[in-house]
Amino acid sequence: QVQLQESGPGLVKPSETLSLTCTVSGGSISSSIYYWGWIRQPPGKGLEWIGSLSYSGNTYYNPSLKSRVTISRDTSRNQFSLRLISVTAADTAIYYCARGPQDSPYNWFGPWGQGTLVTVSS
Amino acid sequence: QSALTQPASVSGSPGQSITISCTGTTRDVGGYNYVSWYQRHPGKAPRLIIYDVTNRPSGVSSRFSGSKSGNTASLTISGLQAEDEADYYCSSFTSITTLVFGGGTKVTVL
Repeated sequence: QVQLQESGPGLVKPSETLSLTCTVSGGSISSSIYYWGWIRQPPGKGLEWIGSLSYSGNTYYNPSLKSRVTISRDTSRNQFSLRLISVTAADTAIYYCARGPQDSPYNWFGPWGQGTLVTVSS
Repeated sequence: QSALTQPASVSGSPGQSITISCTGTTRDVGGYNYVSWYQRHPGKAPRLIIYDVTNRPSGVSSRFSGSKSGNTASLTISGLQAEDEADYYCSSFTSITTLVFGGGTKVTVL
């Protein structure tokens, strides 16, 4: 059974870079033909898709965040990562990593990690 | 403001059926059969309960069902149980931003 776990700093200063890692267990991010994604939820707001990564390393981003986001992977550690530059208070959110389907980076996600709260504040 | 519109809250008594709506446009819900639904209990990870409008992943109760009419998708929970009290979110493929979510609906079991 695939399990995902987010990790990274819980506090980031404005204008700095947010970096999170998702560790996957129970399945390989490079050999199993799935997409892997990041989703966030700001306090009191709905969910927002950030972007997805294919098993072969291709990336797909939300156009509203594309200029600031990079999703990458470390296949040796079975991890994929999120990097968001020039953060502001609006980037304060619970960040989730999740597994997507096999056929599209823009569809459902399951399972999900527990989520990690990142606060942007000085 | 989320791209897909959901009611903020829905409530029902045990054993009743409730329906949660998810309204979009022809560019998302109405244009594609890629609507998904998620259940999230407080402090827990979201759980996929419906994908591709009507499909249930393995292990999800048959009390959960999905449908779509025009630009509105719906999640119906039949035989409402106390454990169904949670937040529910819809999502859809969109030709504009590629994947969008609803704002979420809090289900209360009376």
